[in-house]
Amino acid sequence: GAVVSQHPSRVICKSGTSVKIECRSLDFQATTMFWYRQFPKQSLMLMATSNEGSKATYEQGVEKDKFLINHASLTLSTLTVTSAHPEDSSFYICSARDMANQFSNEKLFFGSGTQLSVL
Amino acid sequence: TQLLEQSPQFLSIQEGENLTVYCNSSSVFSSLQWYRQEPGEGPVLLVTVVTGGEVKKLKRLTFQFGDARKDSSLHITAAQPGDTGLYLCALQGRGANSKLTFGKGITLSVRP
Repeated sequence: GAVVSQHPSRVICKSGTSVKIECRSLDFQATTMFWYRQFPKQSLMLMATSNEGSKATYEQGVEKDKFLINHASLTLSTLTVTSAHPEDSSFYICSARDMANQFSNEKLFFGSGTQLSVL
Repeated sequence: TQLLEQSPQFLSIQEGENLTVYCNSSSVFSSLQWYRQEPGEGPVLLVTVVTGGEVKKLKRLTFQFGDARKDSSLHITAAQPGDTGLYLCALQGRGANSKLTFGKGITLSVRP
């Protein structure tokens, strides 16, 4: 079945540094990928929709300059947390839609997530 | 924005017990998805329900979509410790770039 690979799975960084998270669709092409953030024992909150070859669409309250999204190819989207602070510590998850089945509700696959800890 | 309410928020039961959890909205769903998520992992799709009154079974899990398509339930028979996790219902928007909106989730703990 379709697989979405997310890397790294865990990252610890100092406050003020930037962290890049990669999301790859391994055996399908994805014009659209989604980035979510999840705090402990809470649900997934959509941060932004990443569109290949165009600007990402951010949800209300999500800072564009803080969370940079690049979707340069049909199989890769990256999320960069710039000048990270302890309050950015969270579980970040990406998902990708299989282009070949873009109107099927079944064809949305999730990465395994990245746990970011900012000291 | 269509909101999803899930209940109960937390549930701790003994192995072998049955349970039912719920996902509700004041608006009509076109379709609804249920996911299960384990700590440190991404959510995994369990089922999609589309038709009002629809019932789908996945081993010991039974999913029901309300006749009016405003609510859904998940019933687990003879729960096992492996059922422990966060159960999320989600709405899919329309169109090719439609986003998925999740409910707050139900944290289930099954004690051996």
